[in-house]
Amino acid sequence: QPALIQPASVSGSPGQSITISCTGTSSDVGYYNYVSWYQQHPDKAPKLIIYDVYNRPSGVSNRFSGSKSGNTASLAISGLQTEDEADYYCSSFTSTTTLVFGGGTKLTVL
Amino acid sequence: QVHLVESGGGVVQPGRSLRLSCAASGFTFNTHGFHWVRQAPHKGLEWVALIWHDGSKTNYADSVKGRFTISRDDSRNTLYLQMNSLRVEDTAVYYCGRDLSYGAGSDWGQGTLVTVSP
Repeated sequence: QPALIQPASVSGSPGQSITISCTGTSSDVGYYNYVSWYQQHPDKAPKLIIYDVYNRPSGVSNRFSGSKSGNTASLAISGLQTEDEADYYCSSFTSTTTLVFGGGTKLTVL
Repeated sequence: QVHLVESGGGVVQPGRSLRLSCAASGFTFNTHGFHWVRQAPHKGLEWVALIWHDGSKTNYADSVKGRFTISRDDSRNTLYLQMNSLRVEDTAVYYCGRDLSYGAGSDWGQGTLVTVSP
């Protein structure tokens, strides 16, 4: 079982906004501000879109934003586009210097 | 630009060993930590191992601890994953990733497929 809990699927229409949650514990998500989010298209390598809870790597659209409250992190995507349809994974550095992932969320853009 | 290329995957019987390599270019190798992450067919991402930028620290997922070893050769700009006592459940695409900040993999290779089958 994945250590971090994500919804299996979310959906939205083009132009709308969605949020994906990622729930962990006080030993991972709640311990550090080292939560990352990845986007993965079919048969492609993951792409980092958010790191350290809030930060976007260079080149990532500002339609993607991250936040955290307690043991739950969230990824928000505004102005949905068809190319946003993908799997999204959260990950967190832990108190024991390991890394844990969520089970992934499939985003469908209707 | 940053380039990571994994190699060494293949088909192997349970109990055997395999060594994966990840050749890096386009950045200063010895200033970065690295991760191995795997993805079983039609499954999610699973973290496997990490190594610090100076090689001083390594850590492993419980599922591979004692069987897999991550290492690096800074003179060759190459990351390795030695996998021993392989199990059917180790079947996956293995990706190497460059660490940006405490577990954030900013760059990834294309992956190499490991199939463990009797």
